[in-house]
Amino acid sequence: AQSVTQPDIHITVSEGASLELRCNYSYGATPYLFWYVQSPGQGLQLLLKYFSGDTLVQGIKGFEAEFKRSQSSFNLRKPSVHWSDAAEYFCVINTGGFKTIFGAGTRLFVKA
Amino acid sequence: SQTIHQWPATLVQPVGSPLSLECTVEGTSNPNLYWYRQAAGRGLQLLFYSVGIGQISSEVPQNLSASRPQDRQFILSSKKLLLSDSGFYLCAWSRQGARTNEQFFGPGTRLTVL
Repeated sequence: AQSVTQPDIHITVSEGASLELRCNYSYGATPYLFWYVQSPGQGLQLLLKYFSGDTLVQGIKGFEAEFKRSQSSFNLRKPSVHWSDAAEYFCVINTGGFKTIFGAGTRLFVKA
Repeated sequence: SQTIHQWPATLVQPVGSPLSLECTVEGTSNPNLYWYRQAAGRGLQLLFYSVGIGQISSEVPQNLSASRPQDRQFILSSKKLLLSDSGFYLCAWSRQGARTNEQFFGPGTRLTVL
């Protein structure tokens, strides 16, 4: 069965520190991969996406993600976190149809 | 550019009352449309999707229904709300025929059933 796992329910980092949010998926081939961010009480905003090609993708707000086929992972990273990055982050896969599968989300807390 | 609207932004309803949430998309034609529910502290659950006027697919059996009376309008309804219907409801759209089904989300409606 297809699934997305975000093993960290919440993460706390200090402002200015680096960040890595983990995502693993289960699917028999390479799916389309996305990271979305959701601020409290808001809709979801697309940060970045991977379809094919270069496995390191750049997104908005200084985020990047690396696709590793051997590990079925698509981890999100940011070298220096800002207080405004506090939000919930969702890893998402799509296998080409209407079925889009969301991870449970990782809530990021940023401390001063 | 495309925009997606949802209203109301928040709603408090008693158990057993009806529900109507509306979603409209501007700046595109013949989009795929989606309704999701997000329960507190959880990911998103796809409720319905639509590929065209009057065409609705349901992903999970529930107390809710959806309709698409116009190309860019998607409505989520219930005849009698349950406590378990509380949550954050998100509408989304994607381009018809897009290979990757990248979705764009509205601002959401917070529904509280008391």
